[in-house]
Amino acid sequence: EAGVTQSPTHLIKTRGQQATLRCSPISGHTSVYWYQQALGLGLQFLLWYDEGEERNRGNFPPRFSGRQFPNYSSELNVNALELEDSALYLCASRFPNEQFFGPGTRLTVL
Amino acid sequence: AQKVTQAQTEISVVEKEDVTLDCVYETRDTTYYLFWYKQPPSGELVFLIRRNSFDEQNEISGRYSWNFQKSTSSFNFTITASQVVDSAVYFCAPNQTSNQAGTALIFGKGTTLSVSS
Repeated sequence: EAGVTQSPTHLIKTRGQQATLRCSPISGHTSVYWYQQALGLGLQFLLWYDEGEERNRGNFPPRFSGRQFPNYSSELNVNALELEDSALYLCASRFPNEQFFGPGTRLTVL
Repeated sequence: AQKVTQAQTEISVVEKEDVTLDCVYETRDTTYYLFWYKQPPSGELVFLIRRNSFDEQNEISGRYSWNFQKSTSSFNFTITASQVVDSAVYFCAPNQTSNQAGTALIFGKGTTLSVSS
């Protein structure tokens, strides 16, 4: 069974640009979570999607947004990139109570 | 709100030593789950264990064992006869139970374990 997949592996952007990160959950999992792991800040919850709806978000500004598609894959968009957005972005899918993580997308903002 | 303290930032051991990673959590929930994840240098978080708050039986899985003490809000993780491949960052994380399913994991800062040969 394939695990959670994320693309791209690495992404380099400049300040002010927009970044789009993608995640495909494990087959049969309908919930997708996004986490940010920035240097010195640890792993922080960003967004949770379930059945196509945003269910909860962490303490992040509105320029962090996303969506979930009918096939349960998800996209994270970060607008107006700032230097401190440089981080590893991890996606997880959940069933029923465990969250299984993808390999992450490393976003570098120059 | 939930909070996790992993007081050990870094631990270095030599292969075959036993090592215990401490985790203390705070929660107002009466029932909850506790998790441990491993993050090797590749970056992917690997699920290790899930424990219900109402099940205080200790668990052993191969070289791994977990000691859950609800009275002291601790959920410690022991690796017996450590190996170089155990080198990673280990995270402890609680979350709410399935009656409010979907809440995010609250991660501690993690403990970096380095095992040398």
